[in-house]
Amino acid sequence: DVKVTQSSRYLVKRTGEKVFLECVQDMDHENMFWYRQDPGLGLRLIYFSYDVKMKEKGDIPEGYSVSREKKERFSLILESASTNQTSMYLCASSRTGTDTQYFGPGTRLTVL
Amino acid sequence: GEDVEQSLFLSVREGDSSVINCTYTDSSSTYLYWYKQEPGAGLQLLTYIFSNMDMKQDQRLTVLLNKKDKHLSLRIADTQTGDSAIYFCAEGPRGRSNSGYALNFGKGTSLLVTP
Repeated sequence: DVKVTQSSRYLVKRTGEKVFLECVQDMDHENMFWYRQDPGLGLRLIYFSYDVKMKEKGDIPEGYSVSREKKERFSLILESASTNQTSMYLCASSRTGTDTQYFGPGTRLTVL
Repeated sequence: GEDVEQSLFLSVREGDSSVINCTYTDSSSTYLYWYKQEPGAGLQLLTYIFSNMDMKQDQRLTVLLNKKDKHLSLRIADTQTGDSAIYFCAEGPRGRSNSGYALNFGKGTSLLVTP
């Protein structure tokens, strides 16, 4: 079975803090994705990566950056957290571009 | 991106069939997906259908695709209280700069199954 894990289920941070969200997949998938999920807005793509050290902006990249130094790990970075970044963050991976995406359990981030 | 539309809520009685509907706009989508999200959890892939198919059945789940109308439905037979969750329709993949792919998601349908 494909396994996608995220470093924290719940996280509380203060405004202005630098926040790291980690995602790891164990199936040697090429593609990895970060989405955020908000009530009434569904899932929105923040960034994705199609190979090590490669990344592309999604629909809402502002205020975020990403890092993919190893194939199995994709990190989402909030350089200076703000209250409007309070959300559920979901990581996903897929073997190739046309393959099914598998999701991690999500990290619920609260920024105070 | 293109829009994927779903109704927000559906309530059914235990044992009845549930039908969750979805419309999409990108006719070039290769696959259409149904994901399930239980409270506080991530998204779990339920099933998917390739765009050149019109029906797929998997135990209690039946997916119907009307490509002409860009309409997708998920039927859950003999719905149980454990089926209560949010169901997301998604289309894709959508290419970006000829590399990397993502899915377009609907906003999700909350299914409530009452005893």
